[in-house]
Amino acid sequence: AQSVSQHNHHVILSEAASLELGCNYSYGGTVNLFWYVQYPGQHLQLLLKYFSGDPLVKGIKGFEAEFIKSKFSFNLRKPSVQWSDTAEYFCAVRSWGKLQFGAGTQVVVTP
Amino acid sequence: GAGVSQSPSNKVTEKGKDVELRCDPISGHTALYWYRQSLGQGLEFLIYFQGNSAPDKSGLPSDRFSAERTGGSVSTLTIQRTQQEDSAVYLCASSSDRVTEAFFGQGTRLTVV
Repeated sequence: AQSVSQHNHHVILSEAASLELGCNYSYGGTVNLFWYVQYPGQHLQLLLKYFSGDPLVKGIKGFEAEFIKSKFSFNLRKPSVQWSDTAEYFCAVRSWGKLQFGAGTQVVVTP
Repeated sequence: GAGVSQSPSNKVTEKGKDVELRCDPISGHTALYWYRQSLGQGLEFLIYFQGNSAPDKSGLPSDRFSAERTGGSVSTLTIQRTQQEDSAVYLCASSSDRVTEAFFGQGTRLTVV
């Protein structure tokens, strides 16, 4: 079955630490890949997306993600997090129009 | 409209009653999705509409759940004979086609008592 897996459910780190969130998917064929973020009390917002071309994509707020086709992965990174990055992060895969999400990773950044 | 609009924002209903949740997508968006978000459960796919094609209903958890999209725009998610396990935030999203990103509404928080 097609699925999206996020490796960590909860991550706690200090400000200025580096962040990497893993995402793997099990779809064949062409996919479009996304990372969304949900800040406390807010709706889901797009962080970045990959459709084709350069597998290293840059998004808003200093986030980037790397698509590794051979590993079916699309990991999210940020070199130095801020307290305001506390949020839930969702990886999503779109295949034939259907958009499927991972279970999410709750990230808490402590001052 | 400027964004995806969902109503009501909050709904409290008694077990066994039917509820209707509404979604107004961004004008011109042909794709519309419904998801259910429960605490610690991520986003559970429910149903996907694309233009005039038959919807992908593969995520609906039971036959108590149904959705329609009238005129390719507004969508209504109906839950019949609500149960306590139906309590969750129901999210709607729309996108301009099969490829681009989806934009989300604020959701409807459903509480079944």
